[in-house]
Amino acid sequence: DAKTTQPPSMDCAEGRAANLPCNHSTISGNEYVYWYRQIHSQGPQYIIHGLKNNETNEMASLIITEDRKSSTLILPHATLRDTAVYYCIVRVSGNTPLVFGKGTRLSVIA
Amino acid sequence: DTGVSQNPRHKITKRGQNVTFRCDPISEHNRLYWYRQTLGQGPEFLTYFQNEAQLEKSRLLSDRFSAERPKGSFSTLEIQRTEQGDSAMYLCASSLLLEGEAFFGQGTRLTVV
Repeated sequence: DAKTTQPPSMDCAEGRAANLPCNHSTISGNEYVYWYRQIHSQGPQYIIHGLKNNETNEMASLIITEDRKSSTLILPHATLRDTAVYYCIVRVSGNTPLVFGKGTRLSVIA
Repeated sequence: DTGVSQNPRHKITKRGQNVTFRCDPISEHNRLYWYRQTLGQGPEFLTYFQNEAQLEKSRLLSDRFSAERPKGSFSTLEIQRTEQGDSAMYLCASSLLLEGEAFFGQGTRLTVV
C-alpha cells in the first residue's frame, strides 16, 4: 500500500471548517483513500473513503485531487468533540488490513 | 447490535505471566483484525481472520503471541510469558468481506509490571 504524509498537528477554531491534508504521491490506480479518527482512549472510528471522486457523508467531505496524489478531509463545522487524531490511509481494497501512520492531531479550540 | 466488544478493558499482569484477551465482533462480520497501539503511535496491524481462517500475521506477532477464532465468531489473543514491552492497547476490529469500513472496539489496555 502507498504511504501517506500528514502534518503532525493542527488547530481549528470551534465552528470553523477543519481542513486536514494528506499526501499520497505514490498511490496506485486501484488504491482507495480512507480516513479514520481516534478520540482519546477510544478505538479508531471510520469517517469516509473514496477512490477518485469527491465524497460527502454526514460526518465530513473528502476532496481528492485530479491526479490523486493528495486529498483533504473537511469537517465543515468543527466542534470540541472533533478533537482527535485523524489518520489518512491508502489501501488497495476493503479486504486488506488498514495500515496506520501517526496521523494528524487536530485540536478544536473554543 | 452493540458494536465490537473487547474484554477485559484493562489488564495488569506480572512479567512472565500469560494473558488472554477476547474480542466479540459485530455479528455476521466475517473479517476480524487485531492491532496493537503504544503511546503516541498509530495502531499496528498484528493479524486478521476471515471467518475461522487466519489469513495474515505481521512480523510483530512473535511466537509468544497466538490468536484464534475457532468458530468464526469471537476471537482470542493470547500472550505467553509477557514482557514489559508488551504493554500497550490491543484493539480488535471487524468488517464485512466486501466492504471497507472496519469497526473497532474500545480496546484492552495491558500493563506488564
